[in-house]
Amino acid sequence: DGGITQSPKYLFRKEGQNVTLSCEQNLNHDAMYWYRQDPGQGLRLIYYSQIVNDFQKGDIAEGYSVSREKKESFPLTVTSAQKNPTAFYLCASSIEVFTYEQYFGPGTRLTVT
Amino acid sequence: DAKTTQPNSMESNEEEPVHLPCNHSTISGTDYIHWYRQLPSQGPEYVIHGLTSNVNNRMASLAIAEDRKSSTLILHRATLRDAAVYYCILRDDNAGNMLTFGGGTRLMVKP
Repeated sequence: DGGITQSPKYLFRKEGQNVTLSCEQNLNHDAMYWYRQDPGQGLRLIYYSQIVNDFQKGDIAEGYSVSREKKESFPLTVTSAQKNPTAFYLCASSIEVFTYEQYFGPGTRLTVT
Repeated sequence: DAKTTQPNSMESNEEEPVHLPCNHSTISGTDYIHWYRQLPSQGPEYVIHGLTSNVNNRMASLAIAEDRKSSTLILHRATLRDAAVYYCILRDDNAGNMLTFGGGTRLMVKP
């Protein structure tokens, strides 16, 4: 079955540590995205990538970093510079960056204490 | 950026139709209207999209006002599994804007 996987589902870290969230897709999609969702809020775009070895900042990129070394993978690192890292993180992909349908993974809930 | 306005929450009875409204009075001619929904503790899923004409698919129907300043997502027979947050989103096909998710409408379905 094709889809997007994110692991782990729940992640706990101490303040001051960097943490990397995994996102893998086997849909052969060129574009991938990372969103952040806070309780009761909509999604906000962190980074997106149109193609391998390319990525662009979204609306709230500060304190985050990404890489896109393979088409299938788009890991997100939450650095210690991110002031409020506790949130629900969602990865998505689409055939191209400007196509209408994005496919979302199940999300990773990160708690930093 | 074109924005959308949706009610915070709505209630429906199981097996009855549900009409979820969305206002987008500043919509431009190249903005597509998209709907996504998000079930509890899951990622959003695409529901439907349209530009000017009404659209139907296996999940829902989208009714777009003639002046395009509002639209309505129609679930023909609500089930308990339709309880979710429904997001109405505008995407400018020319500008390549990303999907911008607002607060959405939380739909509660009563048995």
